[in-house]
Amino acid sequence: DAGVTQSPTHLIKTRGQQVTLRCSPISGHKSVSWYQQVLGQGPQFIFQYYEKEERGRGNFPDRFSARQFPNYSSELNVNALLLGDSALYLCASSLLGTAYEQYFGPGTRLTVT
Amino acid sequence: GESVGLHLPTLSVQEGDNSIINCAYSNSASDYFIWYKQESGKGPQFIIDIRSNMDKRQGQRVTVLLNKTVKHLSLQIAATQPGDSAVYFCAERGDSNDYKLSFGAGTTVTVRA
Repeated sequence: DAGVTQSPTHLIKTRGQQVTLRCSPISGHKSVSWYQQVLGQGPQFIFQYYEKEERGRGNFPDRFSARQFPNYSSELNVNALLLGDSALYLCASSLLGTAYEQYFGPGTRLTVT
Repeated sequence: GESVGLHLPTLSVQEGDNSIINCAYSNSASDYFIWYKQESGKGPQFIIDIRSNMDKRQGQRVTVLLNKTVKHLSLQIAATQPGDSAVYFCAERGDSNDYKLSFGAGTTVTVRA
């Protein structure tokens, strides 16, 4: 079975622009979580969606938003990009809505110039 | 706030030796822990997990030990191989209803030939 997939792999944007990142969970998984990983640090939780509803949000500004589609795939949107948004954005999927057995995708490397 | 941390940022190990990676956590209510391996340019890879009602769990070449008294978690890798070179993260879930994982900063393991 395919694991978690994310697109695009890499992305370069300019400050002030908007970006959309995409994630497809493992088949059968109904929960998608988004994490931001800055170089040299562990992943930081941004959002979790379960059954198309937002279950939780981390300490990120309103410029960050997400949604989950009926097929359980998800998009993460970031508006008004700042240099500090440069990071690896990770998507994790799990069968249930709690943080149990979360499997990560390869990530999208976002560079803001 | 609560956080998960690792004792040492780097670990150098001779090929064939056993590795021990340590992690201290501060949330005594945490009920579930995961160890992830992250290779350069990739997303975190699930290695092994353990619930708080267990002290030890074994996988293929890996063992996780949990000491709830001192809030300490360790990952033991037997017969370390060059492919084990990576950054290792421990992550915790706050309780059974928690939707997010909290990560430490990671330990970089380098295997010497």
